[in-house]
Amino acid sequence: DAMVIQNPRYQVTQFGKPVTLSCSQTLNHNVMYWYQQKSSQAPKLLFHYYDKDFNNEADTPDNFQSRRPNTSFCFLDIRSPGLGDAAMYLCATSARDTQYFGPGTRLTVL
Amino acid sequence: AQSVTQPDIHITVSEGASLELRCNYSYGATPYLFWYVQSPGQGLQLLLKYFSGDTLVQGIKGFEAEFKRSQSSFNLRKPSVHWSDAAEYFCAVGPYTDKLIFGTGTRLQVFP
Repeated sequence: DAMVIQNPRYQVTQFGKPVTLSCSQTLNHNVMYWYQQKSSQAPKLLFHYYDKDFNNEADTPDNFQSRRPNTSFCFLDIRSPGLGDAAMYLCATSARDTQYFGPGTRLTVL
Repeated sequence: AQSVTQPDIHITVSEGASLELRCNYSYGATPYLFWYVQSPGQGLQLLLKYFSGDTLVQGIKGFEAEFKRSQSSFNLRKPSVHWSDAAEYFCAVGPYTDKLIFGTGTRLQVFP
């Protein structure tokens, strides 16, 4: 009965090789978020959607893009991953007064 | 600037002991405050939240937190810690549930 699902859980990519992380939800929430969490740091919001309305945080690098083809799915594309992009990427949804998080995808950049 | 500070990076307690995790915030408007817990390899789970009203809020797993506006604090407490409480705990503040600002977390270790 997982509510926010992230695939894959672990992703290894090479420096500069594009990578896509996926998130799906069974909650039918209209708001979805992507966070980046580096080791021993707080989760940092990259962007979020209100339905299909995309909202980018001012300090999110251009290297990070996102797509939301429908309510259930959301993708994070990293066009040219650098070593500094190695992190846990968390997807979340919200409705009313609570954010629901997925288990995260740990990205390794070689 | 809006921020959340969790002064304790790592706390170790014995099972059955009481626990208090500190959280201080800086926020220009009326804050909405949250505590999340993250077990290894897992996402964040909401423990409790404060929006308004009674400043002592109860959450899941026996946790509670107290909002003190004068001290800009929202400390998390539990009277008796269980080994399964070992995890990382994050305090967060936001205008509602959106655009949360998280603290850097406190890692809790529980000894038997």
